[in-house]
Amino acid sequence: DQQVKQNSPSLSVQEGRISILNCDYTNSMFDYFLWYKKYPAEGPTFLISISSIKDKNEDGRFTVFLNKSAKHLSLHIVPSQPGDSAVYFCAASAQYSGGGADGLTFGKGTHLIIQP
Amino acid sequence: DSGVTQTPKHLITATGQRVTLRCSPRSGDLSVYWYQQSLDQGLQFLIHYYNGEERAKGNILERFSAQQFPDLHSELNLSSLELGDSALYFCASSVDATENQPQHFGDGTRLSIL
Repeated sequence: DQQVKQNSPSLSVQEGRISILNCDYTNSMFDYFLWYKKYPAEGPTFLISISSIKDKNEDGRFTVFLNKSAKHLSLHIVPSQPGDSAVYFCAASAQYSGGGADGLTFGKGTHLIIQP
Repeated sequence: DSGVTQTPKHLITATGQRVTLRCSPRSGDLSVYWYQQSLDQGLQFLIHYYNGEERAKGNILERFSAQQFPDLHSELNLSSLELGDSALYFCASSVDATENQPQHFGDGTRLSIL
């Protein structure tokens, strides 16, 4: 059972335009959400996160939106640049019963391609 | 550079063998997490250590074990290896064990079982 879903395996966007990556989750216990970017042969790089008490978090060109009622989050990148071409992973975590952070649950990723 | 160091980068071994993967967390981070990335399953959480103690287990097989040492580096031990254990193994670290802390990943160890 996939608790975090990224339904678009790939997305192609023109340089300078907005890239919107989407993610849905099913576990209502998740209350911290993160986006990671991954290049081939490297580990995931942390981009931006959001706590469930917020609905928006912004960091430079990156903005994450959270819609708890729809169990949906999105990552907006504007303007998109060639260096943004990578695989983007959505991840979520919840407190576990003993207190403290559990491991992250990842989506399967969206390959973003920025075209010149 | 995330500051998380994993060694070795590549490991090739045979079925039935045992290997040890090593992870050094970022300076100051007390939590270490291990993940497995296989082609069909994506990134899967295996186990979490905080300041030397096991805190949470995910989809970790009984043939796998881990520990975190007093200097905070961690090792993941994989034994009785099977072909299906071929995967990328990532280590991540965070400042502490509280929830709202991003995890920072190393570049992984690619394990190939022949």
